[in-house]
Amino acid sequence: QKEVEQNSGPLSVPEGAIASLNCTYSDRGSQSFFWYRQYSGKSPELIMSIYSNGDKEDGRFTAQLNKASQYVSLLIRDSQPSDSATYLCAVNEGSNYQLIWGAGTKLIIKP
Amino acid sequence: DVKVTQSSRYLVKRTGEKVFLECVQDMDHENMFWYRQDPGLGLRLIYFSYDVKMKEKGDIPEGYSVSREKKERFSLILESASTNQTSMYLCASSSGQAQEPQHFGDGTRLSIL
Repeated sequence: QKEVEQNSGPLSVPEGAIASLNCTYSDRGSQSFFWYRQYSGKSPELIMSIYSNGDKEDGRFTAQLNKASQYVSLLIRDSQPSDSATYLCAVNEGSNYQLIWGAGTKLIIKP
Repeated sequence: DVKVTQSSRYLVKRTGEKVFLECVQDMDHENMFWYRQDPGLGLRLIYFSYDVKMKEKGDIPEGYSVSREKKERFSLILESASTNQTSMYLCASSSGQAQEPQHFGDGTRLSIL
């Protein structure tokens, strides 16, 4: 059974600090890795894609991928209350079009 | 930007009714997906489609069917609605490239009474 695991949280972070969200996956054939943000009652919104080992930065967001350890993370710098949401990690299933989804980590940014 | 449009934001139906949820995407994407999302259970794949008139069962297809007569439209059908199908239903699409992400519609909050 291919799995993506995330700590469900909630993860509470002070405003202005760095929020660190983690995800591990079981399928060594996975090539594509995504982070989605989902506000309560809304649909998931893509915020980062990463395909190669290392870091990828986009504004306040940095995705980190380590395929050897089967680990992907998302860092949010200068956290804002508007970053409070559930963050979903998704990994493609080998060469398949399907994604395997984590259950999500609830992030709370405290003013 | 990719636009995925779901026909209803909120829907209330009665048990035993046949329910149609419609999804349209405007990016000429090959792949389309239907999920349901329930508290504590995450996203669960119901059906997906790789091409017009093609469909594949996901993890929880029981009680559902789908239709894809045109590339841009993917419909989810609840053959005989039951209360345990009360949920948030999410449609997504992606291009034909395996590395591409999925893009979601706004979702339909369906209540079966």
